[in-house]
Amino acid sequence: GAGVSQTPSNKVTEKGKYVELRCDPISGHTALYWYRQSLGQGPEFLIYFQGTGAADDSGLPNDRFFAVRPEGSVSTLKIQRTERGDSAVYLCASSATSRTGELFFGEGSRLTVL
Amino acid sequence: SQQGEEDPQALSIQEGENATMNCSYKTSINNLQWYRQNSGRGLVHLILIRSNEREKHSGRLRVTLDTSKKSSSLLITASRAADTASYFCATDSQGAQKLVFGQGTRLTINP
Repeated sequence: GAGVSQTPSNKVTEKGKYVELRCDPISGHTALYWYRQSLGQGPEFLIYFQGTGAADDSGLPNDRFFAVRPEGSVSTLKIQRTERGDSAVYLCASSATSRTGELFFGEGSRLTVL
Repeated sequence: SQQGEEDPQALSIQEGENATMNCSYKTSINNLQWYRQNSGRGLVHLILIRSNEREKHSGRLRVTLDTSKKSSSLLITASRAADTASYFCATDSQGAQKLVFGQGTRLTINP
């Protein structure tokens, strides 16, 4: 399909482990966003890429979280030393414009830290 | 942090009735968007209204924006069971390029 693809859809890990979540945006979309959503809450902004660079990473909760987009397309969200509080659905979205317009979301990666 | 706050948090109505959800925000914005999320799925864009617009329609959706009150409303007319979902407003503050979402309204349409 031509939508935003996120893998894995589900990830169960143990406390202290390292996790990578992948996002494949819509082809040609220059803007890419990562959000985190806890049960019953709205999406919480984590980081925004314009091309290869992180234009705004003010939402990353601490230095255990890091994201890259080396070629301006696929992005990987990396979480080190996972904690139980990291359990959430991680949503990726992409947009065709550099100014905030319509976001196209993936189905999310559900992370459970035991 | 959440910029928008939706009201009510939950709404349950009968099929065929109209559903109104409200959103308030804190800072000046470029535009305001509404998204829908079915349980366990990603968000789907519904409508975008710019700060210089007051009202916008799309099918059974009607969105209003009052920048003086920093509020917006989403009206769904002639609701259907398939409209059951969570609805979120999202704003981009002037000078920022990120969308900030509210907590959402959980809408249930009873057949």
